[in-house]
Amino acid sequence: AQSVSQHNHHVILSEAASLELGCNYSYGGTVNLFWYVQYPGQHLQLLLKYFSGDPLVKGIKGFEAEFIKSKFSFNLRKPSVQWSDTAEYFCAVNSASGGSYIPTFGRGTSLIVHP
Amino acid sequence: GAGVSQSPSNKVTEKGKDVELRCDPISGHTALYWYRQRLGQGLEFLIYFQGNSAPDKSGLPSDRFSAERTGESVSTLTIQRTQQEDSAVYLCASSLVQPYYNSPLHFGNGTRLTVT
Repeated sequence: AQSVSQHNHHVILSEAASLELGCNYSYGGTVNLFWYVQYPGQHLQLLLKYFSGDPLVKGIKGFEAEFIKSKFSFNLRKPSVQWSDTAEYFCAVNSASGGSYIPTFGRGTSLIVHP
Repeated sequence: GAGVSQSPSNKVTEKGKDVELRCDPISGHTALYWYRQRLGQGLEFLIYFQGNSAPDKSGLPSDRFSAERTGESVSTLTIQRTQQEDSAVYLCASSLVQPYYNSPLHFGNGTRLTVT
């Protein structure tokens, strides 16, 4: 069975600080990888996704993530966070080649950015 | 355009009562998912519908939980004889195609269920 680990449950930063949220997954086959974000009072929405090609993917609002297959990781980064980035971030994975194709989500990371 | 709609947004019920949660997916989305999020925890998969295929019920925690979907339209999640541990936010999501493609999920705002 596939699983997703997000190591940072709560992150507090000041504006302009750099951000990196860890995500590791366990699944041996071909995967699709996603980061979702939930802003306060809003529904979960897609931030970015990886399914093939360039392992460095760029998403909305200046976010990017790098897929490192050898490390089973898909860490989310942003060079300079803003107060409006305060939200809950979820990493998700699903199989693209059989096995458990239903997306599995990590526990989530709560990010608070102080102005 | 219209997103995924869930109702009610909040539901408080007494232990032992039955509850029914509703999800109206985005029109044209063939795949529909139910997840549960307990306080401080991640999203827990419950059930998945794909078109007219048999649903994947592998995530349902007990036989008190059931769900239906008619074709590619509305889905209802029913919890019978609710228990306090059922308290959670129940999230519905839909996507355009089968999940082994890279189509992302579109989530509703969820139903917050509180069992007293």
